[in-house]
Amino acid sequence: DVKVTQSSRYLVKRTGEKVFLECVQDMDHENMFWYRQDPGLGLRLIYFSYDVKMKEKGDIPEGYSVSREKKERFSLILESASTNQTSMYLCASSLISGSNADTQYFGPGTRLTVL
Amino acid sequence: AQSVTQLDSQVPVFEEAPVELRCNYSSSVSVYLFWYVQYPNQGLQLLLKYLSGSTLVKGINGFEAEFNKSQTSFHLRKPSVHISDTAEYFCVPLKTALIFGKGTTLSVSS
Repeated sequence: DVKVTQSSRYLVKRTGEKVFLECVQDMDHENMFWYRQDPGLGLRLIYFSYDVKMKEKGDIPEGYSVSREKKERFSLILESASTNQTSMYLCASSLISGSNADTQYFGPGTRLTVL
Repeated sequence: AQSVTQLDSQVPVFEEAPVELRCNYSSSVSVYLFWYVQYPNQGLQLLLKYLSGSTLVKGINGFEAEFNKSQTSFHLRKPSVHISDTAEYFCVPLKTALIFGKGTTLSVSS
């Protein structure tokens, strides 16, 4: 079974703090994704990565950056947290090829509250 | 332009009734389509997907969806729902990455 883990289920930070959200997958997936999920807005893609050290902006990258130094790990960074970044953050991974290509496997999510 | 439109934000139904959750996609996206489900307080999981081949796709928990190219639709159906089907459902096309919309909340009551 694919396993996608996120470093924290709940996180509370103060405005202006630098925040790191970590995601690790154990199935050698090339693609990794960060989404945020907000009531009434569904999931929105922040960033994704299709290879180590490669990244692409999603729909709402402003205020975020990412890091992919190793294939299994994809970090989301909030350089200076703001209250409008309070949200549920979901990490996902997928293969590029094969019968399960493009099926995304999701982590349990990190609920971030910025005070 | 939106890549996918889920026509109903909330669908209340009674147990054992049939249900259809509607999804229309933009012709500008690829025709790889997915339905994901998120049960209360759980993560997202794949329900079914259409990549090619037969237009009728069967998924987990008795759900199925039909890809209709002429109507650009990918509606999700189940002939008889259970209380445990109460969840949020997302119709998701694949472009560069999966494109999630707002979802449809299915509420099944007895």
